[in-house]
Amino acid sequence: DAGITQSPRHKVTETGTPVTLRCHQTENHRYMYWYRQDPGHGLRLIHYSYGVKDTDKGEVSDGYSVSRSKTEDFLLTLESATSSQTSVYFCAISGPEKEGNIQYFGAGTRLSVL
Amino acid sequence: AQSVAQPEDQVNVAEGNPLTVKCTYSVSGNPYLFWYVQYPNRGLQFLLKYITGDNLVKGSYGFEAEFNKSQTSFHLKKPSALVSDSALYFCAVRGPGGSYIPTFGRGTSLIVHP
Repeated sequence: DAGITQSPRHKVTETGTPVTLRCHQTENHRYMYWYRQDPGHGLRLIHYSYGVKDTDKGEVSDGYSVSRSKTEDFLLTLESATSSQTSVYFCAISGPEKEGNIQYFGAGTRLSVL
Repeated sequence: AQSVAQPEDQVNVAEGNPLTVKCTYSVSGNPYLFWYVQYPNRGLQFLLKYITGDNLVKGSYGFEAEFNKSQTSFHLKKPSALVSDSALYFCAVRGPGGSYIPTFGRGTSLIVHP
């Protein structure tokens, strides 16, 4: 999975608790993304980052925050988890522009909010 | 705004037969088009892309896709399906310029029967 590590791979938590998912890349790419994947919805963008401390919202950002203090790390935080945030979360990086900015994905984090 | 439609949730094909997975798109300007494949419990993997040049692009594992500007389509094809091709396939599009944010379709489950 192209030098991208997501942790944890699986997590079960309770409604109302904070949760942080981590994405670590070894490719030194500028752009990083967080998606969620749900049946019938495909992949939906939560937040993305275009550099250290530079982030922006995607189409489903409510209830999520992100931080990027280093090029290699992009954190996704659910401040107070809800059952609707049960999903599979994928981190991605964007390759060079000369290659069309192909995205490379991590293996995913399966989150269950009970 | 950019969008992608994958009109079939599932495609069934017999091993050895040709397969087609459909994708249509909407975007301002010249499109950057991508196909990704997802195997169970894995992240998405890049399959092929169209940016410019020949309308027929070839990718990994014997897959190819045909860009049709007049029909705004980018269908994925393979001349002879394998059981191991069974997976979830995603089409994605983005416009030109500095925003490297693609929009993904909802995905099509390809099932190849022995």
